[in-house]
Amino acid sequence: GNSVTQMEGPVTLSEEAFLTINCTYTATGYPSLFWYVQYPGEGLQLLLKATKADDKGSNKGFEATYRKETTSFHLEKGSVQVSDSAVYFCALTNSGYALNFGKGTSLLVTP
Amino acid sequence: DVKVTQSSRYLVKRTGEKVFLECVQDMDHENMFWYRQDPGLGLRLIYFSYDVKMKEKGDIPEGYSVSREKKERFSLILESASTNQTSMYLCASSRPGGGSGANVLTFGAGSRLTVL
Repeated sequence: GNSVTQMEGPVTLSEEAFLTINCTYTATGYPSLFWYVQYPGEGLQLLLKATKADDKGSNKGFEATYRKETTSFHLEKGSVQVSDSAVYFCALTNSGYALNFGKGTSLLVTP
Repeated sequence: DVKVTQSSRYLVKRTGEKVFLECVQDMDHENMFWYRQDPGLGLRLIYFSYDVKMKEKGDIPEGYSVSREKKERFSLILESASTNQTSMYLCASSRPGGGSGANVLTFGAGSRLTVL
């Protein structure tokens, strides 16, 4: 079945540091891949997505590239801000219905 | 601008009580979902629905049921609440098909349920 594995947190970075959160997946066929973000006290919201191999999703300075050869979709940001502190979830779907989520990675950015 | 509304942010119930969690979306989405979120376990799918009166079991349906009588409303029911159902419950909706917005889940703010 489908599954997503993402690096365990928490991740603590200083402001303006480079961020990478690793995500790898197992799926049949050609899934769509997503990163969602959950700010404290809120529901999840879409950060970015990619629907086919070599696509790059980007939003708010975050990027992730769909790598089919390594089954990965790592999230990166060149310079994090305190306001990026949140929990980040990698997810996939190849059914067109529900998403399979990773366990989430908590990010804390300190001034 | 609220698009997925969950009726209760916080609930406290007793073991054995029947619990209803309500979710309403105003985006005319066909698909609706209930997930539970637990520390260290991430999000796990309980049930989903792709049309009115249709439902499909997710990964952890035991102890839950759902109802979808209208397109915009999807209810999660705990027939007899137990302490291991203490959790954050997240409702989401999406539209199927192609295009840039397809299969993107829009989530509600969550309902935190405590069962004593």
